[in-house]
Amino acid sequence: ETGVTQSPTHLIKTRGQQVTLRCSSQSGHNTVSWYQQALGQGPQFIFQYYREEENGRGNFPPRFSGLQFPNYSSELNVNALELDDSALYLCASSSRREYNEQFFGPGTRLTVL
Amino acid sequence: KQEVTQIPAALSVPEGENLVLNCSFTDSAIYNLQWFRQDPGKGLTSLLLIQSSQREQTSGRLNASLDKSSGRSTLYIAASQPGDSATYLCAVPKGSNDYKLSFGAGTTVTVRA
Repeated sequence: ETGVTQSPTHLIKTRGQQVTLRCSSQSGHNTVSWYQQALGQGPQFIFQYYREEENGRGNFPPRFSGLQFPNYSSELNVNALELDDSALYLCASSSRREYNEQFFGPGTRLTVL
Repeated sequence: KQEVTQIPAALSVPEGENLVLNCSFTDSAIYNLQWFRQDPGKGLTSLLLIQSSQREQTSGRLNASLDKSSGRSTLYIAASQPGDSATYLCAVPKGSNDYKLSFGAGTTVTVRA
């Protein structure tokens, strides 16, 4: 069984640029959620995708957008990067057949200069 | 809005001592509760998932209890080891079809050899 994978591991961007982060869900999982974790804080929910449709969104502006593909992998896109977007971005996959237990990937560390 | 609090924020114990980590949540209408471990700069590793109908869950040296009515969960780690040093986070989703986890800020544990 393959776990959740994310790419890239680290990324450095400058303010105003755009970034795309990628996530492959665990085998058999059709739901992907994205979280932002600032240093010293718990993760904050960004949005979730279920069977290629957005299924809920947290308190993040529209410049945070996403996609889910037919193989259930997902992308997180952030436009017009701001300094405060610097964080660890975590992807989690889950399945209702497994009591919604969330399995997280290793994260992408984004630094905005 | 679900608020999750973890006390204490940090804990330092000598090797061999038992650890007690606390988690409280404001809305008792939860579907389950999940405990995670996070090593510095890394993703989250799921430790235990407790369904709302369960009172506790055990895995090896780990035991987690859940009291929905009082909005509390406790994670016990028996006979701590230096390898247990990490940040421990608890998280709850709101409902059965809600995968959006609300996290506490975590308890950072240091086990001294």
